Amino acid sequence: AQSVTQLGSHVSVSEGALVLLRCNYSSSVPPYLFWYVQYPNQGLQLLLKYTSAATLVKGINGFEAEFKKSETSFHLTKPSAHMSDAAEYFCAVTAGGGGADGLTFGKGTHLIIQP
Amino acid sequence: NAGVMQNPRHLVRRRGQEARLRCSPMKGHSHVYWYRQLPEEGLKFMVYLQKENIIDESGMPKERFSAEFPKEGPSILRIQQVVRGDSAAYFCASSPAGGNTQYFGPGTRLTVL
Repeated sequence: AQSVTQLGSHVSVSEGALVLLRCNYSSSVPPYLFWYVQYPNQGLQLLLKYTSAATLVKGINGFEAEFKKSETSFHLTKPSAHMSDAAEYFCAVTAGGGGADGLTFGKGTHLIIQP
Repeated sequence: NAGVMQNPRHLVRRRGQEARLRCSPMKGHSHVYWYRQLPEEGLKFMVYLQKENIIDESGMPKERFSAEFPKEGPSILRIQQVVRGDSAAYFCASSPAGGNTQYFGPGTRLTVL
């Protein structure tokens, strides 16, 4: 069984500041981890994924995340926030090993960008 | 290459009616997943299907909900005798055989009056 905890339902940063969105997971097997972004009234777009290769993963739009097994974390970062980054961000986990299982999502973090 | 298609994008039903939500996976994808997003909550897994097979329906409510993915045509999520609590956004995702990444459609927003 897997679970995901996203700390902070809302995060507010100034334009140009560092973005840090936290995700901690629990999994009884080696996990695959994902970050998705959702803009209002739209579907989810994949930002990046960890599938047991490099622990530092780079994604689209300047985002990256680091898998830390010892901390069971997969935090999402971006060095400099842009107004267009304002959206809902979801961390998700599934069992690793190539199996095709449903994703378990966190409750999401709403990122607000202050001008 | 077209993405995951869902229709309708918005669906309004009265209590007691049936709702049918359709999902066409990305070309070449044989795995389909359905998720439900309730207001102020994250997405919850409902069901995972391959062509003509339900692989995992552990997230499906026991009554009124069913899903299929026929050999030809889109996957269908069917909700019978809808109630107000069924109002939500329903998302479909697809992945290729052996793939570990799910690609999401734009969702169907169901409103039950």
